[in-house]
Amino acid sequence: GQNIDQPTEMTATEGAIVQINCTYQTSGFNGLFWYQQHAGEAPTFLSYNVLDGLEEKGRFSSFLSRSKGYSYLLLKELQMKDSASYLCAASDSNYQLIWGAGTKLIIKP
Amino acid sequence: ETGVTQTPRHLVMGMTNKKSLKCEQHLGHNAMYWYKQSAKKPLELMFVYNFKEQTENNSVPSRFSPECPNSSHLFLHLHTLQPEDSALYLCASSQRLGSGVDTQYFGPGTRLTVL
Repeated sequence: GQNIDQPTEMTATEGAIVQINCTYQTSGFNGLFWYQQHAGEAPTFLSYNVLDGLEEKGRFSSFLSRSKGYSYLLLKELQMKDSASYLCAASDSNYQLIWGAGTKLIIKP
Repeated sequence: ETGVTQTPRHLVMGMTNKKSLKCEQHLGHNAMYWYKQSAKKPLELMFVYNFKEQTENNSVPSRFSPECPNSSHLFLHLHTLQPEDSALYLCASSQRLGSGVDTQYFGPGTRLTVL
């Protein structure tokens, strides 16, 4: 079957760095997406990886290892507004997104 | 503002009611999606439309009926729902189905409560 695993909840301190991991098993693979969702709001696109390696975008970076079925989202210089859920989704052979349950990130002062 | 709007934002309905959810996208996209989001569960894809044609129906009960009159509008008609259907219903759109970097853009969702 197809499956995405990511931690349910993480806590970090303002100004610090946090890494949110995601492992996936899909029938075929056409890329890995990360979305941010604040409580009561729409998920918003953060990043897309299809090739191995690290993609950096400001304070946020995303990494992919296709051979390991693994990705992570790295958030630097954490701010209180980064408190949100982070959703990992893998695109399968039919370009359907298989979603994880999300990681709730709590930032403490 | 992501360019995808949904109405209503909140809906409370009884099990015998009939209601409709509306989604509109202003991004010029050709694919539209309905998702169900329940607490602490992954997003569940319900329906997909590509160029107004339904391409996916993920074993959704018939009490949910989608309608896509054009590429900009998507409806979800609801009737005789069950309390377990209470959830956040999200609409999304993307440029077109079948492309790897086909980023989906989401609306704010309709919070549905079935009594």
